[in-house]
Amino acid sequence: EIELTQSPGTLSLSPGERATLSCRVSQSLPNNKLAWYQKKAGQPPRLLIYGASTRATGIPDRFSGSGSGTDFTLTITRLEPEDSAVYYCQQYGSFLLSFGGGTKVQIK
Amino acid sequence: QAHLVQSGADVKKPGSSVKVSCQTSGDTFSNFALNWVRQAPGQGLEWMGRIIPILGMTNYAQKLQGRITITADRSTNTFYMELSSLRSDDTAVYYCGKSSGTYEPTDSWGQGSLITVSS
Repeated sequence: EIELTQSPGTLSLSPGERATLSCRVSQSLPNNKLAWYQKKAGQPPRLLIYGASTRATGIPDRFSGSGSGTDFTLTITRLEPEDSAVYYCQQYGSFLLSFGGGTKVQIK
Repeated sequence: QAHLVQSGADVKKPGSSVKVSCQTSGDTFSNFALNWVRQAPGQGLEWMGRIIPILGMTNYAQKLQGRITITADRSTNTFYMELSSLRSDDTAVYYCGKSSGTYEPTDSWGQGSLITVSS
């Protein structure tokens, strides 16, 4: 199975700042089949980004994804209190899918 | 986006089995995949497996092979995830999620089902 490593484990930032989240994949993903999800307590995951860089429907342009091959990044600009959540990357380019361990974003 | 409704919370004994259901709306047997993902308390998301009805194919996480079975009932647009030989570390919220194809992200989710394994 493909392994995904996310860093850092936790980010503590102030409103208005920029968050940069990293996801490293154990093998190159064909066609950059990498997604980012936002997970809040008591809610199902919310798809933010797919295909490494395409925003899902209704996702504000403060969220952007980049990267290819084995290194991917989720950037959240102009942080808002509602962005407090755990963010997961997921690869869906193989028959067996997998998630990274998550990055917790705390808004001070 | 599809609407997915899951079965309710349940408590199971260690060693028993649980079957969680996920009913979908619309034409759900076209080209799509139905995934199962769980989150144990204080832990991250774990992909468990999926079914691709149009291909009649299932894929399971290696860690759960032999204990998990995902099935579909076309007559009721309902999907099932059965997990056997339950252990305390299977206590988690279980989610179903729909992808629009074999190599597509999951863009619609059920509300989650809390399964507690306790003696």
